[in-house]
Amino acid sequence: AQSVTQLGSHVSVSEGALVLLRCNYSSSVPPYLFWYVQYPNQGLQLLLKYTSAATLVKGINGFEAEFKKSETSFHLTKPSAHMSDAAEYFCAVSGDAGNMLTFGGGTRLMVKP
Amino acid sequence: DAGVIQSPRHEVTEMGQEVTLRCKPISGHNSLFWYRQTMMRGLELLIYFNNNVPIDDSGMPEDRFSAKMPNASFSTLKIQPSEPRDSAVYFCASSLNGITGELFFGEGSRLTVL
Repeated sequence: AQSVTQLGSHVSVSEGALVLLRCNYSSSVPPYLFWYVQYPNQGLQLLLKYTSAATLVKGINGFEAEFKKSETSFHLTKPSAHMSDAAEYFCAVSGDAGNMLTFGGGTRLMVKP
Repeated sequence: DAGVIQSPRHEVTEMGQEVTLRCKPISGHNSLFWYRQTMMRGLELLIYFNNNVPIDDSGMPEDRFSAKMPNASFSTLKIQPSEPRDSAVYFCASSLNGITGELFFGEGSRLTVL
């Protein structure tokens, strides 16, 4: 069965520092992989999506993620954190569970001034 | 185009009462999803419709929960009778291409059962 593991339920960085949010997945078929962001009291919105084209995917707000099949990872990065990046981030996978999209447990990103 | 619209945004009710949550997906989207979010369990998929037909309801907790999609522009999630453990934020999402496409989420309905 497909699954997603996000390492670190909370990540804290200083403004201007590198953001790295980790996501590992399991899937028996080539997966679709997603990162979503959730701001307080809002629904989730798509940051970026991997669909077997380029392994480095660029998303909105300066975020990008790299698909590494050998490591079954899809980590999210941003070179320089901004205060407005403070939110909860969810990695998700679809592929071998019919039409199901499985979300990770989420990582809350805090940005310190 | 308007996004996914959910109502009510907040609902406070007493145990045993019936709760109905409503969702209007984005026009033209053929897939609709109901999710539940809690601190303890994170995001859980409850049910998934494609072209108004329920495809997978294995995430529906128990018989107290039911969901309908009578047409392409409206869906309901009903809990009867409600229990305190049903307290959560319920999200509706729609997409153009099932789960291979982007999911567009509503702002959620926060349910508190006393």
